Amino acid sequence: QVQLVQSGSELKKPGASVKVSCKASGYTFSRHAINWVRQAPGQGLEWMGWIDTNTGNPTYAQGFTGRIVFSLDTSVTTAYLQISSLKVEDTAVYYCARDLSNSWPAWEYWGQGTLVTVSS
Amino acid sequence: DIQMTQSPSSMSASVGDRVTITCRASQSISNYVNWYQQKPGKAPKLLIYAASSLQSGVPSRFSGSGSGTDFTLTISSLQPEDFASYHCQQSYTTRTFGQGTRVEIK
Repeated sequence: QVQLVQSGSELKKPGASVKVSCKASGYTFSRHAINWVRQAPGQGLEWMGWIDTNTGNPTYAQGFTGRIVFSLDTSVTTAYLQISSLKVEDTAVYYCARDLSNSWPAWEYWGQGTLVTVSS
Repeated sequence: DIQMTQSPSSMSASVGDRVTITCRASQSISNYVNWYQQKPGKAPKLLIYAASSLQSGVPSRFSGSGSGTDFTLTISSLQPEDFASYHCQQSYTTRTFGQGTRVEIK
């Protein structure tokens, strides 16, 4: 069955970097893009962008350029989200998500979420 | 960017109530709207895609409607397990979510 399994919670100091992983299994990795979503405490969902798992080409949403990088390691069917120069306001749960198997742009499969806490 | 305005932001309801949540897009987006349910500490779950298509395994008390700019999620008879937050999402161009609706027990 399709699964997206994310790495564990992180506690970081302001100015540090963090790399969150999203390991995919149960399907052909290159056939479905991976999206990234941020949810700050008590807030709604924000789409951060997506990465084409066939070409490795990332697309960043407005407001998420400059400090974030999406990447892949296709040999282990894993997508990564790296955030540099962390700020307290980056504290959030980060999710990866994948489209429906029928390719309609809705997200059927989600990782369990990774809590990133930024605190001095 | 397309904006999605969701209302209400929160509501109180009782088991058995009919619940309606709306989303309005800032421009016409055909039927490119999806609805998700999210419970505390959990990832969102897809309920409705393409405005009105029920995702496999989702109870039939959930339904979606709308096209163009105005969309609705309806729960025909609220059940205890339905107390959660609900999010609309447009997928016409890039992706945008509404602000979310928290459905609480009255």
